[in-house]
Amino acid sequence: EIVMTQSPATLSVSPGQRASLSCRASHTISSNLAWYQQKPGQAPRLLIYAASTRATGIPARFSGSGSGTEFTLTISSLQSEDFAVYYCQQYNNWPPALTFGGGTKVEIK
Amino acid sequence: QVQLVQSGAEVTKPGASVKVSCRTSGYTFSIYAIGWVRQAPGQGLEWMGRINTYNGDTNYAQKFQGRVTMTTDTSTSTTYMELRSLRFDDTAVYYCARETVGSLTFDYWGQGTLVTVSS
Repeated sequence: EIVMTQSPATLSVSPGQRASLSCRASHTISSNLAWYQQKPGQAPRLLIYAASTRATGIPARFSGSGSGTEFTLTISSLQSEDFAVYYCQQYNNWPPALTFGGGTKVEIK
Repeated sequence: QVQLVQSGAEVTKPGASVKVSCRTSGYTFSIYAIGWVRQAPGQGLEWMGRINTYNGDTNYAQKFQGRVTMTTDTSTSTTYMELRSLRFDDTAVYYCARETVGSLTFDYWGQGTLVTVSS
């Protein structure tokens, strides 16, 4: 199983500031990585797939980068609605054995 | 618009089974696979498996092999997930989600179904 490790567990950021979230894979996964946002009581929302492609309707302030084992989600200027938990997910294998990271909570500083 | 609507919350006992439904609308059902993801209270996301809605082929996470069955009813564009031999630690919100074509990611999600296992 490919283990996904996210850091930090919690990130305290002021509105308008930049946030960088990290995701590391235990084995190389090429660019087969997605990022999701989840707010309390809601289902996750797809932000990024293929490591750097924004999903439909996702604002340009969200960007993804990386390949292999190291990935980053950057939120360029945090808005109030961006405070949430963010998960990475790898989808490198077939037959599929999808795994998620443990999440990073972005909170208001 | 694309919608995935799940069945309501369930309370069940250890050792029993639960079957959660996911009714879809707003798109061609058989083009997109459906995945199931669960989330224990206060915890992260865990992939359980997926079903190809065109031919019914399934892929299950190793952890759930032998305990989970996913099926579809194309006449109603509905997918089902049955989990058997329930344990206390199966208490979670269970989500169905539509897979994006060409990548094993999830672009639309159901609202979630809380399954509580309690004696």
